[in-house]
Parts: sequence; structure tokens; C-alpha cells
Amino acid sequence: NAGVMQNPRHLVRRRGQEARLRCSPMKGHSHVYWYRQLPEEGLKFMVYLQKENIIDESGMPKERFSAEFPKEGPSILRIQQVVRGDSAAYFCASPGQETTGDYGYTFGSGTRLTVV
Amino acid sequence: GEDVEQSLFLSVREGDSSVINCTYTDSSSTYLYWYKQEPGAGLQLLTYIFSNMDMKQDQRLTVLLNKKDKHLSLRIADTQTGDSAIYFCAESSNSGYALNFGKGTSLLVTP
Repeated sequence: NAGVMQNPRHLVRRRGQEARLRCSPMKGHSHVYWYRQLPEEGLKFMVYLQKENIIDESGMPKERFSAEFPKEGPSILRIQQVVRGDSAAYFCASPGQETTGDYGYTFGSGTRLTVV
Repeated sequence: GEDVEQSLFLSVREGDSSVINCTYTDSSSTYLYWYKQEPGAGLQLLTYIFSNMDMKQDQRLTVLLNKKDKHLSLRIADTQTGDSAIYFCAESSNSGYALNFGKGTSLLVTP
């Protein structure tokens, strides 16, 4: 997972609090994907961002969830008023450079959110 | 969305070959991927194959793709205890930007 940095690794929040998850893609990359992994499930796409632009947010819940990727700094996935069902691992990924024939996606180590 | 299906568990003895299978439904899939996830860790890209190929080999890993049947497999030769992990199959297509994952196959390698 070298290159895609996520923090924090673990986050505990009480119901009703806000959670902020951060992701810095690989150096020189300006696109990030966010995925959610519920316990014993595969990863589900949430949102795809380019710097200062949301490309596809078709996987984002309509309420309480938002994402941004500012010109400077990491991408942020924000969950307001967290509920127990938000407990999951959240992963961010950088796509490969297609111009160099790299179609792989590199994932970060994830943030494990626990809502108590 | 389109489905990606995998069997949930596989147990093999150390030294044997493991074959993990995956089926998908999206006929426009362009790339198919195999990822490995160890407990508490992120996803490690093992390999991927373009849909116009039917086989790809990389050291102990062999990927076979039957596009007609929409069936993908990952063979691990000489399986080691360190190969114990969850293996995810995923596909990408021209119809969307994201990867569509299966639920993962938990591989247990016993001595």
C-alpha cells in the first residue's frame, strides 16, 4: 500500500458525532476513489474525486456523507451524526497511470471507524 | 449494479495449488483484478487482466479468463501459509469509473 496514505488508522466516535477521514493519493496523482467495507463484505464504491471536483458520487449515501478533494491537502470523507451502521473500514484508492499502461488501483491501509 | 460472485471459503494444504473462482455479469468489463487482504490490512493488488486476454502468469500466480462464460480464476501454485488471506475479485467496465468487488474468498492454508 505504499504511496496512498490514510489517517487515522482507527477512529472511534460516539453516535451523533462527526467523523473525518483523510486520504492522500500517491505523489503526483490527482484522483481518488473512496470505498466502504462493511464487516465480512466486499468493498463498495462510494465516490470518485478529482482535485476540486466530484466526478461520480453515485455510491454515496444521500444524507450525512460528503467528500471533498481540495486543491491543496488530502481528500476528506466526512460523516456527520454517525450511527452504528457507519462502523466499517473506509478505503481510498489511487488509479494507475493509464498513459503508461498501468491500469491497477493502489489502495491505502484504510480507516477503521467504530461507532459506539 | 452488476454482480461479482465468489465462493466464500477455500482450504488447502501447504504445497498444494489453490484455485479461487469468480463469476461476473457485466459483459462490458474491460479489466478484471485480483486483490489480497490480510487481517486488519488494506488491499494489495496481485494482478489484473485485460478482457481480450485469456491467461496471464506472474510467478506463482496464474489468471485464467473465460470471457464467454464470464468466469475468472486465480491459481496459486505451491501455496504457502503466508498466502492465507481474503482474495477479492473485481471488475471495471466502460460504464462506470469504479471497481465492482466480490465479497471475497477466505483462503486458509494448513500445514
